[in-house]
Amino acid sequence: DIQMTQSPSSLSASVGDRVTITCQASQDITNYLNWYQQKPGKAPKLLIYDASNLETGVPSRFSGSGSGTDFTFTIRSLQPEDIATYYCQQYDNVPLTFGGGTKVEIK
Amino acid sequence: QVQLVESGGGVVQPGRSLRLSCAASGFTFSTYAMHWVRQAPGKGLEWVAFFSYDGSNKYYADSVGGRFTISRDVSKNTLYLQMNSLRAEDTAVYYCARPREVADSWDAFDIWGQGTMVTVSS
Repeated sequence: DIQMTQSPSSLSASVGDRVTITCQASQDITNYLNWYQQKPGKAPKLLIYDASNLETGVPSRFSGSGSGTDFTFTIRSLQPEDIATYYCQQYDNVPLTFGGGTKVEIK
Repeated sequence: QVQLVESGGGVVQPGRSLRLSCAASGFTFSTYAMHWVRQAPGKGLEWVAFFSYDGSNKYYADSVGGRFTISRDVSKNTLYLQMNSLRAEDTAVYYCARPREVADSWDAFDIWGQGTMVTVSS
């Protein structure tokens, strides 16, 4: 199974800050990497697919980069509505696996 | 409007069975693969099962293999998850999810249901 190591597990930042989350795969997954946002009590929402493609309707302050085993998710300017837990997910092969999540809070 | 609606969750004793349903609408259900993903209380996301768009392939997480069965009724636009021999560790919110692309097996999940809670407890 491909292990996804996501860090940090939580972070606190101020409104307007740049926020960066990393995700490392245990083996090469090319660009088969997605990022989701999940707010409490809600289903996950797709933000970034194929490592760097912004899903339709998602604000441009969200971005993703990387390939192979190392990936980065960035919120360019943190907004209050971005408070959520973020997950990376690989889909190179089954079992599809998720990172452990990063809880983002406002300082 | 594209939508997935899960149902069938509840409280069940260990060792018993439960069947979850996921009703799809707003898209051509038969042309998409479908997945189940679960989330234990306070924990992260765990992929559970996959059903290919043409029904030729099914895959399961090791944690549920041999106990859970994924199936589909195209005439009812409904995906199912039959869960047998339930354990306390199966307690979770269960989501059905649809990949972005028609026929793609592995892809980002752009459509999720609202989830249905399954509690396994005596």
